Amino acid sequence: DAKTTQPTSMDCAEGRAANLPCNHSTISGNEYVYWYRQIHSQGPQYIIHGLKNNETNEMASLIITEDRKSSTLILPHATLRDTAVYYCIVRALNTGFQKLVFGTGTRLLVSP
Amino acid sequence: EAGVVQSPRYKIIEKKQPVAFWCNPISGHNTLYWYRQNLGQGPELLIRYENEEAVDDSQLPKDRFSAERLKGVDSTLKIQPAELGDSAVYLCASSPLAGELEQFFGPGTRLTVL
Repeated sequence: DAKTTQPTSMDCAEGRAANLPCNHSTISGNEYVYWYRQIHSQGPQYIIHGLKNNETNEMASLIITEDRKSSTLILPHATLRDTAVYYCIVRALNTGFQKLVFGTGTRLLVSP
Repeated sequence: EAGVVQSPRYKIIEKKQPVAFWCNPISGHNTLYWYRQNLGQGPELLIRYENEEAVDDSQLPKDRFSAERLKGVDSTLKIQPAELGDSAVYLCASSPLAGELEQFFGPGTRLTVL
């Protein structure tokens, strides 16, 4: 299973874009990149996932490099409510049950 | 649509006492998960249910932990007896299918063992 490396913490000003990096240099061809976040005193929340193409939804955009060894989660206009721990998870699909393995994530602090 | 419901939200007990946590998943979700989250760490899977069957309990400390999902809907996780090291947040999650990596989490139960 590919391991991920994320910065421990990041800061962002409210209204600016938050760019959260994740390194997954040992990712395999059938492994997806998933992002979850966990706001204080809440359970984790799914944000987005992708295989090799960039993805966008109402919450965020996911940019995966061409060699797939790293990715960036982009919150285009961060708000105070985006303050949370963000987890990057790499996991294969369609190879039997694949459990979510959370690391320690990146603690994002959005300030006024 | 109601999310995953857990109770209680907080529990404080003395060591050696029993404790139980309850989870009601999202309606129609066949797969239910229990996670434990220690302070400063990400959640770790304890057990996974497919309907009423526990199909992955390899990370559940079976000497003191037990879980059940009798009718394939709500579930209970029990610790007996509790130890100081069991202090953590216990999270329940559910998903429509077994292979889903998009899981829906409840708010968790914060357990403090004194």
